[in-house]
Amino acid sequence: KAGVTQTPRYLIKTRGQQVTLSCSPISGHRSVSWYQQTPGQGLQFLFEYFSETQRNKGNFPGRFSGRQFSNSRSEMNVSTLELGDSALYLCASSWMGQGEYNSPLHFGNGTRLTVT
Amino acid sequence: SQQGEEDPQALSIQEGENATMNCSYKTSINNLQWYRQNSGRGLVHLILIRSNEREKHSGRLRVTLDTSKKSSSLLITASRAADTASYFCATDATSTGANSKLTFGKGITLSVRP
Repeated sequence: KAGVTQTPRYLIKTRGQQVTLSCSPISGHRSVSWYQQTPGQGLQFLFEYFSETQRNKGNFPGRFSGRQFSNSRSEMNVSTLELGDSALYLCASSWMGQGEYNSPLHFGNGTRLTVT
Repeated sequence: SQQGEEDPQALSIQEGENATMNCSYKTSINNLQWYRQNSGRGLVHLILIRSNEREKHSGRLRVTLDTSKKSSSLLITASRAADTASYFCATDATSTGANSKLTFGKGITLSVRP
């Protein structure tokens, strides 16, 4: 089974621009989560989607948004980029049916975003 | 805010020795998980322990959970150079228990010297 695939692997953007990151989950996984990792704040939860619906959201400004498609693939978008948005963005998928608890997350290798 | 706090922040040991890492958390949890991350890559799930479990084993890994003290420990026995990585504990404390929103600690950097 192929793992979680994130594209692109690296991205360099300028302040004020917007960016879209893509994530393809493991086949059969319906839950996709996004995390931001920085040296200062560590790993922080952005949002989670299940069956095209956002189920949980972290404490990030509205510039950060996401969506999930019917094939479970997900995208996240960051608008009006700021220098502080430079980070490793990690996507994780999980097989998680309704009422199914305790399923581990499977992470992709991330997209390294640098904002200049 | 960080739910899990690992200690030590960094650990350096000789190959063959055991490595013990600790994690403390603040609120009631549904489960606690440990993940490993090699430099610049994604996290790899190591082991999950549910709130009603006290100890779990997986290969060279042993994890314990003490909900009264809100703490967990991860033991890696007979360490290898390939175990060199950052280790994170993560907790699921959502009311739904759906494991869809994990809170991670800041991580422990483990260096295993050959």
